[in-house]
Amino acid sequence: DAGITQSPRHKVTETGTPVTLRCHQTENHRYMYWYRQDPGHGLRLIHYSYGVKDTDKGEVSDGYSVSRSKTEDFLLTLESATSSQTSVYFCAISESSGSGGYNEQFFGPGTRLTVL
Amino acid sequence: AQSVTQLDSQVPVFEEAPVELRCNYSSSVSVYLFWYVQYPNQGLQLLLKYLSGSTLVKGINGFEAEFNKSQTSFHLRKPSVHISDTAEYFCAVVYTGTASKLTFGTGTRLQVTL
Repeated sequence: DAGITQSPRHKVTETGTPVTLRCHQTENHRYMYWYRQDPGHGLRLIHYSYGVKDTDKGEVSDGYSVSRSKTEDFLLTLESATSSQTSVYFCAISESSGSGGYNEQFFGPGTRLTVL
Repeated sequence: AQSVTQLDSQVPVFEEAPVELRCNYSSSVSVYLFWYVQYPNQGLQLLLKYLSGSTLVKGINGFEAEFNKSQTSFHLRKPSVHISDTAEYFCAVVYTGTASKLTFGTGTRLQVTL
């Protein structure tokens, strides 16, 4: 299995509080992604990173920010959590192909976040 | 907008019966296609992928899928399912030129019973 960990694995918080989720990889992969999974929606991309300090928005980025100061860590922050952000969050990684091809994404175990 | 459609949200099937999970995508431009499986309370695991070449792709656990460009489909099949195949299955597409961003379908819950 690819070396991806997510912390915390479970979190319950209250509306309006800030929350930071961490994704840590030991594979030295260039690309990192944050998705949320909701019933009836599958997985939707929140933000992704293509290198240290290089990030871009995904499909559902409103209310989320990210940071990547080291290759191995990709942080997802909810500045002021809302109940609509209750979800399961997955991190994924992939290496740079360098050849224009596609590299498989490997997924972490997920973080279940509940916003009351 | 680019999208992936999995028409069946749930598929019940008896053990040892064949199964087909359907997936259609929205565009005929160049794509890479994937099926992922998610067992309860776990992350996603890649079952199989189509990048180029033969349109019939074989994956892990006896699954296979066929890429049909004219019908923009990538249906997943298994000739004989096991109880252990009970899981959520996601079809996903990468549209070339999109920085390897995956677009997922909404998932199909495969429920295998005796």
